[in-house]
Amino acid sequence: GAVVSQHPSWVICKSGTSVKIECRSLDFQATTMFWYRQFPKQSLMLMATSNEGSKATYEQGVEKDKFLINHASLTLSTLTVTSAHPEDSSFYICIARKDNEQFFGPGTRLTVL
Amino acid sequence: AQKITQTQPGMFVQEKEAVTLDCTYDTSDQSYGLFWYKQPSSGEMIFLIYQGSYDEQNATEGRYSLNFQKARKSANLVISASQLGDSAMYFCAIYSDNNNDMRFGAGTRLTVKP
Repeated sequence: GAVVSQHPSWVICKSGTSVKIECRSLDFQATTMFWYRQFPKQSLMLMATSNEGSKATYEQGVEKDKFLINHASLTLSTLTVTSAHPEDSSFYICIARKDNEQFFGPGTRLTVL
Repeated sequence: AQKITQTQPGMFVQEKEAVTLDCTYDTSDQSYGLFWYKQPSSGEMIFLIYQGSYDEQNATEGRYSLNFQKARKSANLVISASQLGDSAMYFCAIYSDNNNDMRFGAGTRLTVKP
Protein backbone atom coordinates (compact mmCIF):
# COMPACT_ATOMS: atom_id res chain seq x y z
CA GLY A 1 0.00 0.00 0.00
CA ALA A 2 0.82 3.72 0.14
CA VAL A 3 1.80 4.17 -3.47
CA VAL A 4 2.20 7.59 -5.02
CA SER A 5 2.39 8.02 -8.76
CA GLN A 6 3.48 10.94 -10.88
CA HIS A 7 2.58 11.52 -14.47
CA PRO A 8 4.37 12.02 -16.72
CA SER A 9 7.63 10.50 -15.54
CA TRP A 10 9.48 12.67 -18.01
CA VAL A 11 8.56 15.41 -20.42
CA ILE A 12 10.37 17.50 -23.00
CA CYS A 13 8.72 20.70 -24.14
CA LYS A 14 9.46 23.85 -26.05
CA SER A 15 10.13 27.11 -24.30
CA GLY A 16 6.92 29.04 -23.70
CA THR A 17 4.61 26.07 -23.37
CA SER A 18 2.86 24.94 -20.20
CA VAL A 19 3.32 21.54 -18.63
CA LYS A 20 1.04 19.84 -16.13
CA ILE A 21 2.40 17.26 -13.71
CA GLU A 22 0.02 15.03 -11.77
CA CYS A 23 0.63 13.51 -8.38
CA ARG A 24 -1.75 10.78 -7.25
CA SER A 25 -1.99 8.76 -4.10
CA LEU A 26 -3.23 5.46 -5.45
CA ASP A 27 -4.47 3.64 -2.39
CA PHE A 28 -4.86 6.24 0.31
CA GLN A 29 -6.15 9.72 0.88
CA ALA A 30 -3.42 12.26 1.42
CA THR A 31 -4.13 15.10 3.80
CA THR A 32 -1.23 17.11 2.45
CA MET A 33 0.89 17.02 -0.66
CA PHE A 34 4.25 18.71 -0.97
CA TRP A 35 5.94 19.75 -4.22
CA TYR A 36 9.71 19.88 -4.52
CA ARG A 37 12.19 20.76 -7.22
CA GLN A 38 15.60 19.14 -7.43
CA PHE A 39 18.33 20.45 -9.71
CA PRO A 40 21.17 18.07 -10.66
CA LYS A 41 23.37 17.16 -7.73
CA GLN A 42 21.40 19.38 -5.41
CA SER A 43 18.91 18.88 -2.65
CA LEU A 44 15.13 18.88 -2.77
CA MET A 45 13.81 22.41 -2.47
CA LEU A 46 10.30 22.82 -1.15
CA MET A 47 8.16 24.77 -3.60
CA ALA A 48 4.74 24.61 -1.98
CA THR A 49 2.51 22.77 0.44
CA SER A 50 -0.92 21.81 -0.78
CA ASN A 51 -3.97 20.81 1.25
CA GLU A 52 -7.12 19.49 -0.39
CA GLY A 53 -9.69 22.15 -1.08
CA SER A 54 -7.54 25.09 -0.06
CA LYS A 55 -4.97 27.28 -1.72
CA ALA A 56 -1.40 26.09 -1.74
CA THR A 57 1.16 27.70 0.52
CA TYR A 58 4.15 28.73 -1.56
CA GLU A 59 7.71 29.10 -0.38
CA GLN A 60 9.34 32.47 -0.59
CA GLY A 61 10.76 33.04 -4.04
CA VAL A 62 8.43 30.60 -5.79
CA GLU A 63 6.13 32.39 -8.21
CA LYS A 64 2.52 31.41 -7.67
CA ASP A 65 1.48 32.45 -11.16
CA LYS A 66 4.22 30.42 -12.76
CA PHE A 67 3.82 27.26 -10.72
CA LEU A 68 0.10 26.67 -10.41
CA ILE A 69 -0.89 24.05 -7.89
CA ASN A 70 -4.35 22.56 -7.72
CA HIS A 71 -5.35 20.04 -5.07
CA ALA A 72 -8.85 19.14 -6.14
CA SER A 73 -9.20 15.91 -4.20
CA LEU A 74 -7.55 13.93 -1.45
CA THR A 75 -5.86 11.73 -4.04
CA LEU A 76 -4.77 14.20 -6.70
CA SER A 77 -2.61 17.30 -6.81
CA THR A 78 -1.36 18.93 -10.00
CA LEU A 79 1.53 21.26 -10.64
CA THR A 80 1.40 23.30 -13.83
CA VAL A 81 4.56 25.01 -14.98
CA THR A 82 3.27 27.88 -17.09
CA SER A 83 5.30 29.39 -19.92
CA ALA A 84 8.20 27.08 -19.16
CA HIS A 85 11.75 28.22 -19.84
CA PRO A 86 15.02 26.28 -19.93
CA GLU A 87 15.83 27.32 -16.37
CA ASP A 88 12.70 25.45 -15.24
CA SER A 89 14.29 22.20 -16.37
CA SER A 90 14.49 20.11 -13.24
CA PHE A 91 13.32 17.01 -11.41
CA TYR A 92 9.95 17.65 -9.76
CA ILE A 93 8.96 15.41 -6.86
CA CYS A 94 5.73 15.25 -4.91
CA ILE A 95 5.31 13.83 -1.45
CA ALA A 96 1.92 12.75 -0.15
CA ARG A 97 1.40 12.79 3.56
CA LYS A 98 -0.96 10.51 5.47
CA ASP A 99 -1.10 10.42 9.24
CA ASN A 100 2.53 10.75 10.28
CA GLU A 101 4.10 9.27 7.19
CA GLN A 102 5.41 10.72 3.96
CA PHE A 103 5.27 8.83 0.65
CA PHE A 104 7.33 9.94 -2.32
CA GLY A 105 6.25 10.07 -5.90
CA PRO A 106 8.84 8.73 -8.36
CA GLY A 107 9.46 12.21 -9.75
CA THR A 108 9.00 13.92 -13.10
CA ARG A 109 11.96 15.04 -15.13
CA LEU A 110 11.16 18.19 -17.07
CA THR A 111 13.40 19.37 -19.89
CA VAL A 112 12.58 22.67 -21.54
CA LEU A 113 14.27 23.26 -24.87
CA ALA B 1 11.32 27.95 9.61
CA GLN B 2 13.28 24.86 10.45
CA LYS B 3 16.63 24.18 8.85
CA ILE B 4 18.64 21.05 8.19
CA THR B 5 22.42 21.04 7.75
CA GLN B 6 24.55 18.30 6.29
CA THR B 7 28.17 19.40 6.35
CA GLN B 8 29.70 16.48 4.46
CA PRO B 9 29.27 16.85 0.69
CA GLY B 10 31.03 13.54 0.13
CA MET B 11 32.13 10.58 2.20
CA PHE B 12 34.14 7.46 1.43
CA VAL B 13 34.01 4.23 3.36
CA GLN B 14 35.61 0.85 2.91
CA GLU B 15 33.27 -2.03 2.26
CA LYS B 16 32.15 -3.81 5.45
CA GLU B 17 33.08 -0.87 7.66
CA ALA B 18 30.72 1.50 9.45
CA VAL B 19 30.17 5.11 8.47
CA THR B 20 28.47 8.06 10.13
CA LEU B 21 26.70 10.74 8.11
CA ASP B 22 26.18 13.98 10.00
CA CYS B 23 22.97 15.93 10.28
CA THR B 24 22.11 18.87 12.49
CA TYR B 25 18.87 20.76 12.59
CA ASP B 26 17.42 23.97 13.84
CA THR B 27 13.81 24.27 14.88
CA SER B 28 11.78 26.01 17.53
CA ASP B 29 9.09 23.34 17.38
CA GLN B 30 8.60 20.85 20.18
CA SER B 31 7.06 18.23 17.92
CA TYR B 32 8.94 17.23 14.81
CA GLY B 33 10.17 14.21 12.93
CA LEU B 34 13.59 13.45 11.51
CA PHE B 35 14.09 11.29 8.46
CA TRP B 36 16.91 9.84 6.43
CA TYR B 37 16.49 8.98 2.76
CA LYS B 38 18.73 7.37 0.19
CA GLN B 39 18.68 8.51 -3.42
CA PRO B 40 20.53 6.25 -5.86
CA SER B 41 21.46 7.46 -9.32
CA SER B 42 18.08 6.32 -10.62
CA GLY B 43 16.47 9.19 -8.71
CA GLU B 44 13.88 7.55 -6.52
CA MET B 45 13.90 8.40 -2.83
CA ILE B 46 14.16 5.43 -0.49
CA PHE B 47 13.08 5.83 3.13
CA LEU B 48 15.67 4.55 5.58
CA ILE B 49 14.81 5.57 9.11
CA TYR B 50 12.64 7.87 11.23
CA GLN B 51 13.08 9.47 14.65
CA GLY B 52 10.31 11.36 16.42
CA SER B 53 11.25 14.28 18.61
CA TYR B 54 9.64 12.61 21.61
CA ASP B 55 11.28 9.25 21.04
CA GLU B 56 13.76 8.60 23.82
CA GLN B 57 15.46 5.66 22.20
CA ASN B 58 17.54 5.89 19.06
CA ALA B 59 15.80 4.45 16.03
CA THR B 60 17.26 1.39 14.34
CA GLU B 61 16.35 -0.32 11.08
CA GLY B 62 18.58 -3.21 10.15
CA ARG B 63 22.03 -1.82 9.32
CA TYR B 64 20.82 1.74 9.85
CA SER B 65 20.71 3.49 13.18
CA LEU B 66 20.06 7.08 14.06
CA ASN B 67 22.18 8.71 16.73
CA PHE B 68 19.68 11.21 18.09
CA GLN B 69 21.07 13.87 20.41
CA LYS B 70 18.19 16.19 21.05
CA ALA B 71 20.04 18.75 23.16
CA ARG B 72 22.66 19.13 20.47
CA LYS B 73 19.99 19.00 17.74
CA SER B 74 21.79 16.34 15.82
CA ALA B 75 20.48 13.22 14.09
CA ASN B 76 23.42 11.39 12.57
CA LEU B 77 22.90 8.29 10.47
CA VAL B 78 25.13 5.31 11.15
CA ILE B 79 25.41 2.64 8.50
CA SER B 80 27.07 -0.53 9.70
CA ALA B 81 28.80 -3.12 7.54
CA SER B 82 28.75 -0.95 4.40
CA GLN B 83 27.94 -2.60 1.12
CA LEU B 84 28.77 -1.50 -2.42
CA GLY B 85 25.05 -0.94 -2.98
CA ASP B 86 25.03 1.70 -0.28
CA SER B 87 26.79 4.12 -2.63
CA ALA B 88 24.25 6.89 -3.18
CA MET B 89 23.17 10.35 -2.06
CA TYR B 90 21.80 10.50 1.47
CA PHE B 91 19.42 13.21 2.62
CA CYS B 92 18.41 14.15 6.12
CA ALA B 93 14.99 15.79 6.46
CA ILE B 94 12.85 17.36 9.16
CA TYR B 95 9.08 17.49 9.29
CA SER B 96 7.46 20.16 11.42
CA ASP B 97 4.06 19.43 12.94
CA ASN B 98 3.57 23.11 13.59
CA ASN B 99 4.35 24.31 10.08
CA ASN B 100 3.20 21.17 8.27
CA ASP B 101 6.23 21.21 6.00
CA MET B 102 9.23 19.05 5.31
CA ARG B 103 12.71 20.30 4.52
CA PHE B 104 15.81 18.52 3.33
CA GLY B 105 19.50 18.95 3.93
CA ALA B 106 21.97 19.45 1.10
CA GLY B 107 22.81 15.78 1.04
CA THR B 108 25.93 13.65 1.40
CA ARG B 109 27.27 11.51 -1.42
CA LEU B 110 28.50 8.25 0.02
CA THR B 111 30.91 6.08 -1.94
CA VAL B 112 31.67 2.59 -0.72
CA LYS B 113 35.05 1.31 -1.87
CA PRO B 114 35.66 -2.38 -2.46
